[in-house]
Amino acid sequence: EAGVAQSPRYKIIEKRQSVAFWCNPISGHATLYWYQQILGQGPKLLIQFQNNGVVDDSQLPKDRFSAERLKGVDSTLKIQPAKLEDSAVYLCASSLEPRNQPQHFGDGTRLSIL
Amino acid sequence: AQTVTQSQPEMSVQEAETVTLSCTYDTSESDYYLFWYKQPPSRQMILVIRQEAYKQQNATENRFSVNFQKAAKSFSLKISDSQLGDAAMYFCAWGAQKLVFGQGTRLTINP
Repeated sequence: EAGVAQSPRYKIIEKRQSVAFWCNPISGHATLYWYQQILGQGPKLLIQFQNNGVVDDSQLPKDRFSAERLKGVDSTLKIQPAKLEDSAVYLCASSLEPRNQPQHFGDGTRLSIL
Repeated sequence: AQTVTQSQPEMSVQEAETVTLSCTYDTSESDYYLFWYKQPPSRQMILVIRQEAYKQQNATENRFSVNFQKAAKSFSLKISDSQLGDAAMYFCAWGAQKLVFGQGTRLTINP
């Protein structure tokens, strides 16, 4: 079984620029999550999708972050404009169902803001 | 809101010895799971073990076992016969609809 795929692996940009991350979940997984992991901390949920609908985006900074999962499969997370505090690893995860199921994580994208 | 606390930022153990990582959580929900994830330098979060809150029996997976104390809201991870490949960050997580992670414990294995 193929795992969760994420790209790019690394990204370096200057503040105020824009950046996008891509995630392809495990085949058949209806639920997709984006997490932000700042250095030295545990991951924090940014947004959760169930198929192509948003279930939870309460911690997504909507003035600069956006995410979509148009066909209910792969997803894109965008930051525009980036701030220094956005430097982090962005992890994508997927699960079969939204509740009480183990989440399978991708390798993440490490974002550095100069 | 749910919170997860890992009070040990770093732990070290001799190879082949046993180590226990601590985790406490707070929630008002009754139906939930608890997880331990391992994160090596490669960054991928790897599921180590999970516990269903309604089950009293502690989960075990080979050398990994948990001590789940529901009333105390405690969920510790015991690693027996530690191996060099166990070195990583370990995160405790509470989960129902979404996962809430602790701050992590960095585990070092001394040869």
